[in-house]
Amino acid sequence: QVHLVQSGAEVKKPGASVKVSCKASGYTFNGYYMHWVRQAPGQGLEWMGWINPNSGGTNYAQKFQGRVTMTRDTSISTAYMELSRLISDDTALYYCARPATGQWQVLDYWGQGTLVTVSS
Amino acid sequence: EIVMTQSPATLSVSPGERATLSCRASQSVSSNVAWYQQKPGQAPRLLIYGASTRATGIPARFSGSGSGTEFTLTISSLQSEDFAVYYCQQYNNWPYTFGQGTKLEIK
Repeated sequence: QVHLVQSGAEVKKPGASVKVSCKASGYTFNGYYMHWVRQAPGQGLEWMGWINPNSGGTNYAQKFQGRVTMTRDTSISTAYMELSRLISDDTALYYCARPATGQWQVLDYWGQGTLVTVSS
Repeated sequence: EIVMTQSPATLSVSPGERATLSCRASQSVSSNVAWYQQKPGQAPRLLIYGASTRATGIPARFSGSGSGTEFTLTISSLQSEDFAVYYCQQYNNWPYTFGQGTKLEIK
């Protein structure tokens, strides 16, 4: 079965960067885009972008352009999301998520989330 | 960016009754709407896509309808496990956007 396992919680200072990993198993990693969605404490969901593991191509929401970088390592079926120049508003739970089969824009499998806390 | 507005923010319903949740898009998104359920401490769970197609394993008491700018999620007979927060999402235009959520609570 499909599993997405994310790296552990992080505490960062304002201005720093954070890199979150998402290890996939149970399916062909190259066959599905990987999306990243975040959720601030007690708030709703916010789509950050996606990466095509096959080509490495990416698409980021404009809000995060210039601050986010999504990469992958196909040899270990792992996707990464790096967010730079962190501010307190970036404190959130960050999820990786895989689309449903045949429906690449709806998210059917989710990681457990990685809590990133930005605090001085 | 398309804004998805959900109503009401909180809905109080008794177990066994029907719940109707609404979602409005700021412009037409055709039928490219999905619904998710999220329970405390858990990741979202896909319920509906294409406005009305149930995802794999989703019980038949969940149904979706609508097109264009108005969408509805209906839960026909609420079970205890259905009390959660529900989000709609449009995927017609990038960036994909979510509504702010409707909290379904026990009356």
